[in-house]
Amino acid sequence: EVQLVESGGGLVQQGGSLRLSCAASGFTFSSHWMSWVRQAPGKGLEWVANIKPDGSEKSYVDSVKGRFIISRDNAENSLYLQMNSLRVEDTAVYSCARYNNNFDYWGQGTLVTVSS
Amino acid sequence: DIQMTQSPSTLSASVGDRVIITCRASQSINSWLAWFQQKPGKAPKLLIYKSSSLQSGVPSRFSGSGSGTEFTLTISSLQPDDFATYYCQQYNSYSSFTFGPGTKVDFK
Repeated sequence: EVQLVESGGGLVQQGGSLRLSCAASGFTFSSHWMSWVRQAPGKGLEWVANIKPDGSEKSYVDSVKGRFIISRDNAENSLYLQMNSLRVEDTAVYSCARYNNNFDYWGQGTLVTVSS
Repeated sequence: DIQMTQSPSTLSASVGDRVIITCRASQSINSWLAWFQQKPGKAPKLLIYKSSSLQSGVPSRFSGSGSGTEFTLTISSLQPDDFATYYCQQYNSYSSFTFGPGTKVDFK
């Protein structure tokens, strides 16, 4: 059974940093593109970042470029999101998702709250 | 960047109704469109991929169609479990994905 479990969320002040983790199991992690998607409270879904199976290609939504870094450790079956220079508007539930020509599996997410 | 719009934003319906949700892309995405269902506090669930392919385990009352810039999600006979928010999403390339703003289906 495919499982994606996020951790690392919490309350942080504007300008601060946070590192999210996503533990994957039940599939060959090293063979799949992975993504982070966020959802602000009461709002819609927003794709944040994407990473190739070997980590050699990464893409980001414009609003986080230069501030967020997506990475992965295939030996640990883990996906990460390093979030720096956090803004109030980054407040959201952050979920990792497996990309298999579509986002077919999602975690439940971890809440990041950025206070002013 | 490709922008996605959905209509309506809210849809009030009854059990047994035929429901149609429309999604439009700001430029052609061929058939690279997916539909998700999301319930409060839950992760999104993939319903349809590549415009019209039904994800495994999804009831056949859900169907998708369209190509280029206009797409539809149809629920042939709305069931109590279908009251939720529905999002379309384009995946025309690996470097950028965009979701529509969502359509909430609630009780009439």
